Amino acid sequence: EVQLVQSGAEVKKTGESLKISCKGSGYSFSNYWIGWVRQMPGKGLEWMGIIYPGDSETKYSPSFQGQVTISADKSISTAYLQWSTLKASDTAIYYCARLYSGYYLSHLQYWGQGTLVTVSS
Amino acid sequence: DIQMTQSPSSLSASVGDRVTITCRASQGIRNDLGWYQQKPGKAPKRLIFAVSSLDSGVPSRFSGSGSGTEFTLTISSLQPEDFATYYCLQHNVFPPAFGGGTKVEIK
Repeated sequence: EVQLVQSGAEVKKTGESLKISCKGSGYSFSNYWIGWVRQMPGKGLEWMGIIYPGDSETKYSPSFQGQVTISADKSISTAYLQWSTLKASDTAIYYCARLYSGYYLSHLQYWGQGTLVTVSS
Repeated sequence: DIQMTQSPSSLSASVGDRVTITCRASQGIRNDLGWYQQKPGKAPKRLIFAVSSLDSGVPSRFSGSGSGTEFTLTISSLQPEDFATYYCLQHNVFPPAFGGGTKVEIK
């Protein structure tokens, strides 16, 4: 059974850094793209970017390029989303999701449970 | 970037009603469109991929159709467990993009 288990909720201050994680199991982690999706409070879903754990190739939506960093450690089947300087507007739930195939333009098939990030001053 | 315009943004319906949600793409996306259901406090769940292919375990009252730029999710007979928010997602052109969502509420 494919599972994506995300790290727990975080409460941070503006200006702080943060790295959240997404651990995959039940499939060959290296061979499928993993994506990140943002959901701000009461709002819709926003596609942020993806990573191919096999070679750590990343692709970002222009809206998120330079704002976050996506990385992965295939040795422990874990993908990461990180911020160097948090802003209040980063407050949201962040979902990781595995793409359907090894092609970067495929749909999101399996989802993690989400990580709530709260940033305050 | 491709824009996905989803309508309506919300609707009220009764159990047993037929419900139709539409997504319109700003350019053709072939059949690279999926539908997701999200219940409050839960992660989204894939319902339909490739326009009309139902995910395993999804009831047959859900169906998808369309081509090119206009796509439809239909629930033939709304059930209590179907009250949720629905999103479309295009993955034909980078970056993929979600529609704005349709919240289906109880009338």
